[in-house]
Amino acid sequence: SQQGEEDPQALSIQEGENATMNCSYKTSINNLQWYRQNSGRGLVHLILIRSNEREKHSGRLRVTLDTSKKSSSLLITASRAADTASYFCATDPSNYQLIWGAGTKLIIKP
Amino acid sequence: EAQVTQNPRYLITVTGKKLTVTCSQNMNHEYMSWYRQDPGLGLRQIYYSMNVEVTDKGDVPEGYKVSRKEKRNFPLILESPSPNQTSLYFCASSFPSGTQYFGPGTRLLVL
Repeated sequence: SQQGEEDPQALSIQEGENATMNCSYKTSINNLQWYRQNSGRGLVHLILIRSNEREKHSGRLRVTLDTSKKSSSLLITASRAADTASYFCATDPSNYQLIWGAGTKLIIKP
Repeated sequence: EAQVTQNPRYLITVTGKKLTVTCSQNMNHEYMSWYRQDPGLGLRQIYYSMNVEVTDKGDVPEGYKVSRKEKRNFPLILESPSPNQTSLYFCASSFPSGTQYFGPGTRLLVL
């Protein structure tokens, strides 16, 4: 079942601004992952944060995890047109299944 | 190059005509999975496999079959496709609890 939920469903910002997306989930997890999908293409892994980590960075990406609130956020700083995509969070309550959210559609306006 | 391949990439078929979508990975991953993606519904897991000869149902297995006879291959079989199986399908593989690597997708239209 889809237990992850991204918020907002859609986000439109100006190039150069920061974009923040949130993900909430329902069960305890081993880790939480963020993926990006360009229109109609396969998903690409962005970052994985383990349940004992609170924050992780990768380039312009910053991910936080609050296991007490069962939520995570993805921050993209200094957005670019190429960041236009859908972003999904995925949690793994077990080692063999990922639970996916419905995604946030991000549009970067030039 | 590490990759997941799917074939075909695009397929138009008619109701009831059996079809197979192949998936192959070259990363020696134990875990493989099939998803379908429909507008507004995100990714829904169809079947997954933890290793050779070990498969299990995901969230939406009805109308689909899978097999895992070799570690690298995980074909998806639609015995009698119906129009509600029109969708975008993705295969993915990973090590347990690791990053999933996705194939490029297969667009299926069932008339």
